[in-house]
Amino acid sequence: QKEVEQDPGPLSVPEGAIVSLNCTYSNSAFQYFMWYRQYSRKGPELLMYTYSSGNKEDGRFTAQVDKSSKYISLFIRDSQPSDSATYLCAMSSTGGGNKLTFGTGTQLKVEL
Amino acid sequence: ETGVTQTPRHLVMGMTNKKSLKCEQHLGHNAMYWYKQSAKKPLELMFVYNFKEQTENNSVPSRFSPECPNSSHLFLHLHTLQPEDSALYLCASSPGTLNTGELFFGEGSRLTVL
Repeated sequence: QKEVEQDPGPLSVPEGAIVSLNCTYSNSAFQYFMWYRQYSRKGPELLMYTYSSGNKEDGRFTAQVDKSSKYISLFIRDSQPSDSATYLCAMSSTGGGNKLTFGTGTQLKVEL
Repeated sequence: ETGVTQTPRHLVMGMTNKKSLKCEQHLGHNAMYWYKQSAKKPLELMFVYNFKEQTENNSVPSRFSPECPNSSHLFLHLHTLQPEDSALYLCASSPGTLNTGELFFGEGSRLTVL
């Protein structure tokens, strides 16, 4: 079993749709949860960061962490064509130092 | 120049060649990383350097040889590679330990091994 599971997609939605991206994980030591966005031919960039369980909102983006289910989500409201990218979940544990464990990434396309 | 810069952006090499990838960060960070990104696979951590000292080697084959002469520069020396080493190689930096999970990535070097 992979430490982090993420549906690779591709996921295609119409402009304005609500998008839900998800990851599951197996390591209960993970405490820090991140979402990175990677545009084509670019490096990943940090989109959202959450510590432990709960929700975090930033504009059209909401990150949710459910540690009891080992499940994290990223919601995108009013999706735009500019949101078309690959979304990578990542996580780390306390004392994990500089080591992030990434999912495979979900490719999202928002169509006009 | 700002952020993390990687050169070359594209590299094609034969299995017997020797080449190097270069990374430079202009963020004043103390930690630098090499990651490998292959299609449909998670980002794979290769090496970590903190204050120029290697602190992580994720069982990387010796045909990949990193070098970190100072906190701003990181190299990945390549020799006698295999076709399965073809991938996007990403350099990243962070201020230090990843307390906020933020890695700053370069745009990557796309490597093709013939």
